[in-house]
Amino acid sequence: DGGITQSPKYLFRKEGQNVTLSCEQNLNHDAMYWYRQDPGQGLRLIYYSQIVNDFQKGDIAEGYSVSREKKESFPLTVTSAQKNPTAFYLCASTAGNQPQHFGDGTRLSIL
Amino acid sequence: AQRVTQPEKLLSVFKGAPVELKCNYSYSGSPELFWYVQYSRQRLQLLLRHISRESIKGFTADLNKGETSFHLKKPFAQEEDSAMYYCALKAGGFKTIFGAGTRLFVKA
Repeated sequence: DGGITQSPKYLFRKEGQNVTLSCEQNLNHDAMYWYRQDPGQGLRLIYYSQIVNDFQKGDIAEGYSVSREKKESFPLTVTSAQKNPTAFYLCASTAGNQPQHFGDGTRLSIL
Repeated sequence: AQRVTQPEKLLSVFKGAPVELKCNYSYSGSPELFWYVQYSRQRLQLLLRHISRESIKGFTADLNKGETSFHLKKPFAQEEDSAMYYCALKAGGFKTIFGAGTRLFVKA
């Protein structure tokens, strides 16, 4: 099923480099989210956006940035300021009181 | 503070045995609770939500406001139930808080 598409599946970052993870949804959902998934820590919220051109920091926003120029797209940039970026990143979206729909995730590793 | 606690990181049961995955929450408002499941090589997906009060794949979960719990139960575990399970709390607005997850392993 379509819904939410995250790309790439695997991404490698060099020291000092910024990388951008893509998240696109065709569900017409207003809200979109980025989570970081680490073993034993569950999902931690990085950023979320309730509407276009608006977003809020989650619990672990330091070293990350986002934009929401279109309803369908919510890209996440992992900046060089994020000292421990190796993780699995999940994008999700929702509408109203509905549960969240998730993408397949992007695994980011450091070279 | 809003918090979701899943005390067990790993739960291992034999096929056919009952299973209970524990979830406790902390929230001063009216909670909306969910269980999400992630099977091997599949995306995270909703299993059930408390307002639906339905049984999905034999699983049920009852919201106990007095004990602030939303435990997930199944009377007879199957091998295909082996997965990672996350309890989640929708704490007003658009924000959802997830627990650390419990990995369920059902042995043959």
